[in-house]
Amino acid sequence: DAGVIQSPRHEVTEMGQEVTLRCKPISGHNSLFWYRQTMMRGLELLIYFNNNVPIDDSGMPEDRFSAKMPNASFSTLKIQPSEPRDSAVYFCASMRTGDYEQYFGPGTRLTVT
Amino acid sequence: AQSVTQPDIHITVSEGASLELRCNYSYGATPYLFWYVQSPGQGLQLLLKYFSGDTLVQGIKGFEAEFKRSQSSFNLRKPSVHWSDAAEYFCAVATNAGKSTFGDGTTLTVKP
Repeated sequence: DAGVIQSPRHEVTEMGQEVTLRCKPISGHNSLFWYRQTMMRGLELLIYFNNNVPIDDSGMPEDRFSAKMPNASFSTLKIQPSEPRDSAVYFCASMRTGDYEQYFGPGTRLTVT
Repeated sequence: AQSVTQPDIHITVSEGASLELRCNYSYGATPYLFWYVQSPGQGLQLLLKYFSGDTLVQGIKGFEAEFKRSQSSFNLRKPSVHWSDAAEYFCAVATNAGKSTFGDGTTLTVKP
């Protein structure tokens, strides 16, 4: 199994630009989570999906952030427009419902200048 | 709502010494508890988990953890630390809805 795949691994962009982060969960996992990790705030849950449906997006910081899961094998997290304070490592994790064990991807390091 | 507290931000131990990382949780029902490890530049990897049954659980890399309901604790232990154990360690509690809450993490430094 390839594990959770995230792309890109690194992204550097200028303030105001649109950023799209991508995630491919492990096949057979029907829950997907997006996290943000910073030194100041630690690991924060942004949103999670179950069977492609957003269940809890209370962690999404503001309207500039949006997430989609058009099918069971793909999800995106979009930031538009990006700001320097969005600089962080963004993780995607997937889980088989009932297992409770989350499998994390390697993360995308986002730098907004 | 559930919460997790890891009281130690940073711990330093000598290679070969024993290790205990503390974790306290708050959750109204029977918790599902986890320890994850994160090496620099990597995602989180599961070390071990507790759902029910034996309160002492064994994990990968020689780690174990003990669930103590009376103390709301789930401390992680290793009898002899290796230099490769240097990493950040996260305790987490999951609800039966599948959502996990993570602690702030404990950074482990291993002295030669």
